[in-house]
This record gives sequence, C-alpha cells and structure tokens, in this order.
Amino acid sequence: AQSVAQPEDQVNVAEGNPLTVKCTYSVSGNPYLFWYVQYPNRGLQFLLKYITGDNLVKGSYGFEAEFNKSQTSFHLKKPSALVSDSALYFCAVRDSYSGNTPLVFGKGTRLSVIA
Amino acid sequence: DARVTQTPRHKVTEMGQEVTMRCQPILGHNTVFWYRQTMMQGLELLAYFRNRAPLDDSGMPKDRFSAEMPDATLATLKIQPSEPRDSAVYFCASGLERLQGSTEAFFGQGTRLTVV
Repeated sequence: AQSVAQPEDQVNVAEGNPLTVKCTYSVSGNPYLFWYVQYPNRGLQFLLKYITGDNLVKGSYGFEAEFNKSQTSFHLKKPSALVSDSALYFCAVRDSYSGNTPLVFGKGTRLSVIA
Repeated sequence: DARVTQTPRHKVTEMGQEVTMRCQPILGHNTVFWYRQTMMQGLELLAYFRNRAPLDDSGMPKDRFSAEMPDATLATLKIQPSEPRDSAVYFCASGLERLQGSTEAFFGQGTRLTVV
C-alpha cells in the first residue's frame, strides 16, 4: 500500500530565507507525487507534480520540488519565502503500479513565514 | 473559470439526522474523490469514483455513509444517522485521468459539518 510521511508538523522560516518542506513516500511501483497548499477555510490548491522525467519540478508561486528516488523523497522548496506563503502544505502520492489507486495524502505541514 | 462546487458550505445538524452533501465536478472530469479532514486524522479518503463507478470506498464507514454518482455532473455523500464524531470538513475533488494516476485532483471549497 502507498503512504506518505511529512515528518514536520510545523516549519518556521524568516521572510526572504529559503524554505524546505519535507516529504517521503512509499509505493510498490513508480510514484506519482503531488504538492498541494491549503489556506484557511479553503480547499486544497494544486502546486506541482512529478510524473516522470526531470527530477526538479517547478510549480506555482515560485515553488519547486526535487524527486529523489534513492531517498524516496519529494521535498518542496522555495528560494525566498514570503509571508503570504504561510499555509498548510500537503504532499500526496499515487502508485503507478495500479491505475486504480487513489491519491493518498500526508498529514500536512504548517508553514509560518515570519516578517 | 472551471471549479468543483460543493453544497452546502456549512451544515449544522442534530445527532441522528440525515446529512447529504453534494458535489458538482468540473465538466469533463472522469474521476471524483471524497475526503474528510479533521485535526486529528488529517485528510482521509472516503470514496473514489472513475467514470461514475466506485473504485475504492474502503475508508468509508459502510453502516452510515454512502456515496453515489447519479450522473456525471453530481456526486453525493450521505450520512444516516449522523453522529457528533462525523463533525469535520468534507472535500470533494475531481480530475481527468488519461495516463492512469498521473492527473492532479482539483478540490472544492468543502462542506463544514457540525453534528450536535
């Protein structure tokens, strides 16, 4: 069965500093990996995904993520954090081994960017 | 601007009452997910449909929950009878699957359910 782990419940970073939100996964086959962001009282918004190809994926709002197969990780990064990036971030995975697997989410990491 | 529409946005009901939550997926999408979000459990998958057929509802308490897609433009999630522990935010998401599993899901705004 597929699973996702986000080891940090909370990440604090100063505005202008780089940020990293960590994600590791477990699947039987090859992973399809996703990052979503949730602002208060809103639904989840898609940020970026890795399906195949280049390990560095660029997404919305200046975010990027790096797929590392040997470490089974897909960490979310941004070179310079903004206060407006403060939100709840979710990593998600689907297993390409079976086309009928659902999208499974991690517990989420709350990012606080301090001015 | 295509988006997933969920109704109602908020629902307060008494224990034992039936609750129906509705979702209109993005036109043309062929997959629908129902998730429940709580502080303790995070995002839990309740049901997953493709082309209106249920593929996975293993996360759904079968004795009181049911999910259906009467047609391609409507998905419903029902709770009967409702209990206080069902209080949560329920999200619907839809996607268009070409290469199986590779599509992202687009989320609605959610239905915040409170059972008193």
